[in-house]
Amino acid sequence: AQTVTQSQPEMSVQEAETVTLSCTYDTSESNYYLFWYKQPPSRQMILVIRQEAYKQQNATENRFSVNFQKAAKSFSLKISDSQLGDTAMYFCAFMTPSNFGNEKLTFGTGTRLTIIP
Amino acid sequence: GAVVSQHPSRVICKSGTSVKIECRSLDFQATTMFWYRQFPKQSLMLMATSNEGSKATYEQGVEKDKFLINHASLTLSTLTVTSAHPEDSSFYICSARGGVLYYGYTFGSGTRLTVV
Repeated sequence: AQTVTQSQPEMSVQEAETVTLSCTYDTSESNYYLFWYKQPPSRQMILVIRQEAYKQQNATENRFSVNFQKAAKSFSLKISDSQLGDTAMYFCAFMTPSNFGNEKLTFGTGTRLTIIP
Repeated sequence: GAVVSQHPSRVICKSGTSVKIECRSLDFQATTMFWYRQFPKQSLMLMATSNEGSKATYEQGVEKDKFLINHASLTLSTLTVTSAHPEDSSFYICSARGGVLYYGYTFGSGTRLTVV
């Protein structure tokens, strides 16, 4: 079974600073997808960034980037120039595709990030 | 982008009654829908996976007779909590995946169920 570990339950950082959230996972699969989701106080889950395991290049979406280390099974999220709106719970998630239409996400326990004005 | 509408956002029901939560994909066909439960300050726990036109697949420990899932069309899935009890009070979230994995998973806005 796949597991996802987020070792930082809470983090806080000053506005405009850079912060890195860590995530490790365990799997025997070679083909998989990794995601970071954001859950603000509204509790709406929002996709932040996605990485395909077969791609060596790290994914980037504006201020959000990942450091994907496949051999180490590590998938950290870096938020640059942090903004107050980045305050949220962040979940790392893992998925292995299959041909049976029931690919499911396995979530980590989350990191609560607070951006301090 | 893909939108999933979930209703109601909040519901309070009496113990012993049943509650239905709807999840609709508004601008895409959701071949697979997932139902999660989230306790306060905790992660999402997958309850079941449903594919349109077939029976739902429940995760271990989830009572299929209590949490009835129906996915009768490509745009609608429902979760019915039957004979609800206070311990069923929680935040329930649906998620849909369209036919193209590229788009990932789109989540509904969640339903807070309180059983009194």
